[in-house]
Amino acid sequence: ETGVTQSPTHLIKTRGQQVTLRCSSQSGHNTVSWYQQALGQGPQFIFQYYREEENGRGNFPPRFSGLQFPNYSSELNVNALELDDSALYLCASSLPGGPAETQYFGPGTRLLVL
Amino acid sequence: AQTVTQSQPEMSVQEAETVTLSCTYDTSESDYYLFWYKQPPSRQMILVIRQEAYKQQNATENRFSVNFQKAAKSFSLKISDSQLGDAAMYFCAYTGAQKLVFGQGTRLTINP
Repeated sequence: ETGVTQSPTHLIKTRGQQVTLRCSSQSGHNTVSWYQQALGQGPQFIFQYYREEENGRGNFPPRFSGLQFPNYSSELNVNALELDDSALYLCASSLPGGPAETQYFGPGTRLLVL
Repeated sequence: AQTVTQSQPEMSVQEAETVTLSCTYDTSESDYYLFWYKQPPSRQMILVIRQEAYKQQNATENRFSVNFQKAAKSFSLKISDSQLGDAAMYFCAYTGAQKLVFGQGTRLTINP
């Protein structure tokens, strides 16, 4: 069984640029959630995708967008990068089952915006 | 609003001893789940233990157990026989629908 994978592991961008982060869900999982973890903080929910549709969104601006593909992998896109977007971005996959889903996390992508 | 509070930013324990990490949460929902995740320096968030709110019995996973007090909205994690590999950030999290709401974390240090 393959766990959740994310790419790239590290990324450096400059303010105003755009970035795409990628996530492959754990085998058999059709739901993917994205979280932003600033240094020294707990992760904050960005959004969730289920069967290629957005299925809930946290308090993030529209320049944070996502996609889910038929194979359940997912992308997180961030436009017009700001310095405060520097963080660890975590992807988690789960099986749908109401509020009972246990989310399994990937290793994260560390984004630095200069 | 759903919130999770971890009041201990840092904890330390001697190897082989027992330590308890505290967590309180706030929700108006009746059906929800609580989790403890461990985040070592490698950054990957690892599930430690899960508790269903409708179950009165406290969850246990080997050396890890919880004390779930639903009325008090308290969910503490007890680590018995602490090992050096237990050193990490520990996050308490709540889920009612879709998203996990995390606390600020507790950094656990194991002293040899």
